[in-house]
Amino acid sequence: GAVVSQHPSRVICKSGTSVKIECRSLDFQATTMFWYRQFPKQSLMLMATSNEGSKATYEQGVEKDKFLINHASLTLSTLTVTSAHPEDSSFYICSARTGGLHEQFFGPGTRLTVL
Amino acid sequence: GDSVTQMEGPVTLSEEAFLTINCTYTATGYPSLFWYVQYPGEGLQLLLKATKADDKGSNKGFEATYRKETTSFHLEKGSVQVSDSAVYFCALSHNTDKLIFGTGTRLQVFP
Repeated sequence: GAVVSQHPSRVICKSGTSVKIECRSLDFQATTMFWYRQFPKQSLMLMATSNEGSKATYEQGVEKDKFLINHASLTLSTLTVTSAHPEDSSFYICSARTGGLHEQFFGPGTRLTVL
Repeated sequence: GDSVTQMEGPVTLSEEAFLTINCTYTATGYPSLFWYVQYPGEGLQLLLKATKADDKGSNKGFEATYRKETTSFHLEKGSVQVSDSAVYFCALSHNTDKLIFGTGTRLQVFP
């Protein structure tokens, strides 16, 4: 089946630093990738949708200058949390789908802790 | 706006017990409904789905029926196994890319 990986799986950083999270589709070309955020005991919330080679579309309330998304190739999307603060600590999950299919394939998630 | 409500967990069962995880939704129109499962250390996987009222999705012994009249999509399995221990997410989508998830229900099955 389609496999999506994320790196790193866990990251701890100091407040004010930037953190980059990678999402890769390992065995298919992902024309569209999605980034979600999950707080403890809450549902996954879609942050943004990115299509290869174009700017990401952000959901209402998500700061695009804080959460930079790059989808430069058909197998890689990155999420950079800029100037991270403790309130950005969360579980970030990506998913990907290939053209013509509605099913999304999810990565295992990245736990970010900002001290 | 659209939303999904799931029963809080954890749900703790003995092996071979009957499982029900409740899911209700609020949405305009006729969304598609999904159940995803997340095993420890892995990404969410689509378990089953239903795209219209009265459809029944099924996979790996799990079933869920799209009930428009009660706006529900309860997940059931007749006999759970230890390997079914995971977190289960109910979700809806209006045939766009946007999935709206419930909070997830952790299932723990003991031998």
